[in-house]
Amino acid sequence: AQSVTQLGSHVSVSEGALVLLRCNYSSSVPPYLFWYVQYPNQGLQLLLKYTTGATLVKGINGFEAEFKKSETSFHLTKPSAHMSDAAEYFCAVSREGRRALTFGSGTRLQVQP
Amino acid sequence: SQTIHQWPATLVQPVGSPLSLECTVEGTSNPNLYWYRQAAGRGLQLLFYSVGIGQISSEVPQNLSASRPQDRQFILSSKKLLLSDSGFYLCAWALGGGELFFGEGSRLTVL
Repeated sequence: AQSVTQLGSHVSVSEGALVLLRCNYSSSVPPYLFWYVQYPNQGLQLLLKYTTGATLVKGINGFEAEFKKSETSFHLTKPSAHMSDAAEYFCAVSREGRRALTFGSGTRLQVQP
Repeated sequence: SQTIHQWPATLVQPVGSPLSLECTVEGTSNPNLYWYRQAAGRGLQLLFYSVGIGQISSEVPQNLSASRPQDRQFILSSKKLLLSDSGFYLCAWALGGGELFFGEGSRLTVL
């Protein structure tokens, strides 16, 4: 069965600092991996995805993530945090058969001025 | 372009009352449809998904049910709500094995 572990339910960074949100997964099949962002009382918006090919994927709002098969990781990074990045971030992995996604428990990012 | 509509946006219901949340997708055909629930401070739990009209897969045994009466319509129901049914309910759609596209969510409070 597929599963996702997000280390750190809360992460706080200063504006302009590096953002690093950690995600590790387990999957019995080659995974499709996703990062979503959720602002308060809203649905989830796709930041980026990895399916096949290049292991470094770039997404919206300056975020990127690198698929590392040997480490079963898909960490999300952004070089310089902005106040508008404050939100909750979810990592997800496709299920076997690719009919649904399994989500991590989420990481709430705070950006301090 | 594709859009997804979900309503109502907020709902306050007494324990034991019925529930109906509706979701419709526009601009695509034969999508996979999903209901997820997000409890306070927790991740997203898949409740139901559907790959076609009348085809419903249930992930978690509970007092909720789902129906798909039309290709782009997905309904979440309950005959009698429990306190534990409170949460943020998200409808989503997908084509094939790609990413999910989410609605804006429905916040249910059961009192």
